[in-house]
Amino acid sequence: AQSVTQPDIHITVSEGASLELRCNYSYGATPYLFWYVQSPGQGLQLLLKYFSGDTLVQGIKGFEAEFKRSQSSFNLRKPSVHWSDAAEYFCAVGTTSGTYKYIFGTGTRLKVLA
Amino acid sequence: DGGITQSPKYLFRKEGQNVTLSCEQNLNHDAMYWYRQDPGQGLRLIYYSQIVNDFQKGDIAEGYSVSREKKESFPLTVTSAQKNPTAFYLCASSISLWASYEQYFGPGTRLTVT
Repeated sequence: AQSVTQPDIHITVSEGASLELRCNYSYGATPYLFWYVQSPGQGLQLLLKYFSGDTLVQGIKGFEAEFKRSQSSFNLRKPSVHWSDAAEYFCAVGTTSGTYKYIFGTGTRLKVLA
Repeated sequence: DGGITQSPKYLFRKEGQNVTLSCEQNLNHDAMYWYRQDPGQGLRLIYYSQIVNDFQKGDIAEGYSVSREKKESFPLTVTSAQKNPTAFYLCASSISLWASYEQYFGPGTRLTVT
């Protein structure tokens, strides 16, 4: 069965430091991969997505993610974190084997220290 | 501006009462979804609809019902059969049900049942 794992429930970084949020998936083929961000009490907003081609994808707000097939990972990165990046981040996987399936990870809550 | 609206933002009900959450979109999207979000559990799919007058159960449909009489609208009813209805509910839409399409989210409704 398909699954998505975000190993880190909480991450704290200082403003200006680099950030990497981990996402691992389990699926027999290359899935569609997404990262979303959710501010407190709000809906989710798409940061970036990967379907095929270049394994390094750029998104909004200075985020990027790298697809590594050998590691079944799609980690989200940002070179320098801003206080406004404090939010919850969700990795999602879309698959099309058989019935429709779109799975969200359990999320990583990011705290940014001034 | 195109988007998804959910109303109300906060909803309070007594146990044993049915309650309907509103979701409207003006993005001209065919597919719509309802998710439930609980702390530490990510997003869980309740129902989804590919097209008007058609909808499918998601992973946690028990105690919920939906209708899709208009393309723009996908209301969710939380019935008294739902054992633990207090949660944050998110409505989303996408161009179609194909898993490669990103989902656009509304701001959510926080339901509290006492």
